[in-house]
Amino acid sequence: EDQVTQSPEALRLQEGESSSLNCSYTVSGLRGLFWYRQDPGKGPEFLFTLYSAGEEKEKERLKATLTKKESFLHITAPKPEDSATYLCAVQDGLSSLNQAGTALIFGKGTTLSVSS
Amino acid sequence: KAGVTQTPRYLIKTRGQQVTLSCSPISGHRSVSWYQQTPGQGLQFLFEYFSETQRNKGNFPGRFSGRQFSNSRSEMNVSTLELGDSALYLCASSFLQGFAGELFFGEGSRLTVL
Repeated sequence: EDQVTQSPEALRLQEGESSSLNCSYTVSGLRGLFWYRQDPGKGPEFLFTLYSAGEEKEKERLKATLTKKESFLHITAPKPEDSATYLCAVQDGLSSLNQAGTALIFGKGTTLSVSS
Repeated sequence: KAGVTQTPRYLIKTRGQQVTLSCSPISGHRSVSWYQQTPGQGLQFLFEYFSETQRNKGNFPGRFSGRQFSNSRSEMNVSTLELGDSALYLCASSFLQGFAGELFFGEGSRLTVL
């Protein structure tokens, strides 16, 4: 069964204190791994797509990396505005559920709080 | 460019009732998918529609149904509501062609079942 597990559930950082969020996944055939950010009262907002092990993507203070079993979202020198819930999702290319579709399997997220 | 619009934003129902939620996708997006978000289970895929056809369906009971209209707008319906149906229901739209993981989500409809 496809599964996505994120850790930690919650993370509190001081402004400027770098850290990483983890996303472990089990899928039959990974079509893609995606990171989203969700602010309170809002829908998730797309951040990155990673397709293969070794791939990296960067955006401002965020860098996402991918291995064969997990992905990391590195946050460098975070600011209070980076506070949000970060969601990891996968698309299984071999599951009938995802044949040429857009269905994603999400983890439960990591809630990041950055204080000044 | 207008985003994904969901209505209503908040609603309260009682057990046994039914509810219909509406979603207007971003102009030009023909794929619409629905997700249920709860604190315990996180975001779970409900179903996906493209060109008025249901392409995929998640592992939810038949009480959950949906449809898409010719203008790509979508509705989902939950019949015989149960307490456990209380959740944030999120609609997302995208280009199906060349999909690369970027779903555009609305702000959701928060359903409370009493």
